[in-house]
Amino acid sequence: SQKIEQNSEALNIQEGKTATLTCNYTNYSPAYLQWYRQDPGRGPVFLLLIRENEKEKRKERLKVTFDTTLKQSLFHITASQPADSATYLCALSGPSGGYNKLIFGAGTRLAVHP
Amino acid sequence: DVKVTQSSRYLVKRTGEKVFLECVQDMDHENMFWYRQDPGLGLRLIYFSYDVKMKEKGDIPEGYSVSREKKERFSLILESASTNQTSMYLCASSFSRGVNEQFFGPGTRLTVL
Repeated sequence: SQKIEQNSEALNIQEGKTATLTCNYTNYSPAYLQWYRQDPGRGPVFLLLIRENEKEKRKERLKVTFDTTLKQSLFHITASQPADSATYLCALSGPSGGYNKLIFGAGTRLAVHP
Repeated sequence: DVKVTQSSRYLVKRTGEKVFLECVQDMDHENMFWYRQDPGLGLRLIYFSYDVKMKEKGDIPEGYSVSREKKERFSLILESASTNQTSMYLCASSFSRGVNEQFFGPGTRLTVL
């Protein structure tokens, strides 16, 4: 069955450093990959979308890569700030499940320390 | 501003009760979704709808039903609540059938005793 893996352990980093979060998937050929941010007690908020034919996407301090050979996406936050502390979810969609139907990973919690 | 609202933030019900969770979006979106979120399992899709009166099963529809009588409103119904349905329930909407971002509501934390 389709599986998405995100590091279940929290990532702790120092303010100003680059945070890198990983999303790996198996038994799936997604055409699109999205990243969301979720704060405690709130719904996820969309951050970035990347297509299978795009290697990299940037938005301000955020960068996403998508390697369909490795079946992996990396999510980077440069010059991280304590306000970036949250849980980050990756989500996939593709032709097999319907492009608008997302399959979510369990998320990785990021803690940025001053 | 885009907005998805859910009828309750917290809900406590007893086993066997019928439970209604309401979701309203004000963006004229075609698609609406219901997820549940449990620790370590991520968001799992229960049901979704591409249009009024249309519904499709997600990955875990058992024990749930939905209703979409109006475009802006999508209801999740637990016909007979059970303790294993204690969870965070999240509603989302998106613009159309193409690939696009989903907008989420704040969630309803349901506890079934």
